[in-house]
Amino acid sequence: GAVVSQHPSWVICKSGTSVKIECRSLDFQATTMFWYRQFPKQSLMLMATSNEGSKATYEQGVEKDKFLINHASLTLSTLTVTSAHPEDSSFYICSAPRDRSSGMDYGYTFGSGTRLTVV
Amino acid sequence: KQEVTQIPAALSVPEGENLVLNCSFTDSAIYNLQWFRQDPGKGLTSLLLIQSSQREQTSGRLNASLDKSSGRSTLYIAASQPGDSATYLCAVGGGADGLTFGKGTHLIIQP
Repeated sequence: GAVVSQHPSWVICKSGTSVKIECRSLDFQATTMFWYRQFPKQSLMLMATSNEGSKATYEQGVEKDKFLINHASLTLSTLTVTSAHPEDSSFYICSAPRDRSSGMDYGYTFGSGTRLTVV
Repeated sequence: KQEVTQIPAALSVPEGENLVLNCSFTDSAIYNLQWFRQDPGKGLTSLLLIQSSQREQTSGRLNASLDKSSGRSTLYIAASQPGDSATYLCAVGGGADGLTFGKGTHLIIQP
């Protein structure tokens, strides 16, 4: 259980175009979705946190106008990289907290990631 | 700000050896600590989750310990196999916040 499906798994786009990445929770309701990115040989860094029905909160240094996050339903969160540039090429991955209805924290489940290459 | 450090950055050992991966974190106010495996170009596979109130967790050949007061965790892999080759990530956090990751230990098990 607690599966997050992320699409696409990889995408190549031209500089200046926009790319949308989707994360769907398949068998649970994800009220919160975390978005991370990972540059080569670096750690995963939290970019932003989205909560269903409200605006996303962005980490320091992440441009909210460039990385648009939408969390309009309990099963879908999207990240749109607008006017992409080569320096945006990275591995993007989403994550949702697992069931906490019992009061326990069962960690997080992750999507399979999206490798974005901007040429 | 939480910082997570993993040592060693890379490790190459012959098949069959037992090995230990280390993780340290600067802020002990965590909800949990999670160990992940990441294969090249792939997403994350959760290996073990230790709640802040727990001392260790075991799954098969893997055992993870947590010493929250000293800000340390270790991942023990018994009888290593070539299929264990991957990057192992330690992450701390929980609650309403996301996770803070270490840079990982790149592990190669030689056949």
